[in-house]
Amino acid sequence: QVQLVQSGAEAKKPGSSVKVSCKTSGGTFRNDNFSWVRQAPGQRLEWMGRIIPFVGSVDYAQNLQGRLTITADQSTNTAYMELTSLRSEDTAVYYCARGTHHLAFDIWGQGTMVTVSS
Amino acid sequence: QSVLTQPPSVSGAPGQRVTISCTGSSSNIGAGYDVHWYQQLPGTAPKLLIYGNINRFSGVPDRFSGSKSGTSASLAITGLQAEDEADYYCQSYDNGLSALYVFGTGTKVTVL
Repeated sequence: QVQLVQSGAEAKKPGSSVKVSCKTSGGTFRNDNFSWVRQAPGQRLEWMGRIIPFVGSVDYAQNLQGRLTITADQSTNTAYMELTSLRSEDTAVYYCARGTHHLAFDIWGQGTMVTVSS
Repeated sequence: QSVLTQPPSVSGAPGQRVTISCTGSSSNIGAGYDVHWYQQLPGTAPKLLIYGNINRFSGVPDRFSGSKSGTSASLAITGLQAEDEADYYCQSYDNGLSALYVFGTGTKVTVL
C-alpha cells in the first residue's frame, strides 16, 4: 500500500521561504513521478510542478518559475518542494501526489498548510 | 494557467442522478488527453474517482461514471447518497506553455 506522508504545517513571513517534504512508502519511488498541487482557501486545485526521480527531470508551472524548486532524495524516498519569496497569496494547503501513466494522480499526501502572514 | 470550466454547484435529492460537466480547450481535452475526476471531502485531500475518462479507480462505487466527447467531459452520480456531498474536480493534461496539468474550477455537490 503506497502512502505519501508530508511534513507539518508552517507559518512564514512574507519574503521568506518554505520547504515541504513528502516521504513515500510501499512503492517504487525511483520509477514513479510526483507532482505538487496547492489549494488556496476556498479555491480550486493548482498544479505547481513535477519531478521524475529516475531521470532527475523537473517541470514547473510557468507562473511559479524562478520561485519553485522540486527535488527528490532517492536514498530516503522523499520528494521536496521549496517555494521562495513567499507572499500572502501563497497561503494554501500544499499536496504531493503520485502521477500515473494515464496522467492522473492516484495517491495523495495528507496536505501541508502553509500560512504566509506578517 | 489554462483552466477547465465546471459549474459551481449542482444538487439533488437522495436517489437522484446528477451530472457535472467539464469544458476544456484544444490544448487539453480537445487535444485528445484523458480526463480524470476527483472527490474532495471537507478538510481532506482529493481522491481519484475516475481515470482515463471512464475507468473507476479501485474501490469506487459503480454509482460514479465518466464520459468524454470533444472538448468536454462529464461525471455522473446515480443513486445520490448523503456521503456524496463533496467538491468534485476534473483534471487533464495540457500541451500549452503554462502548465503540464490543469484542474477544473470545481463543483460543489449538495444532497438535499
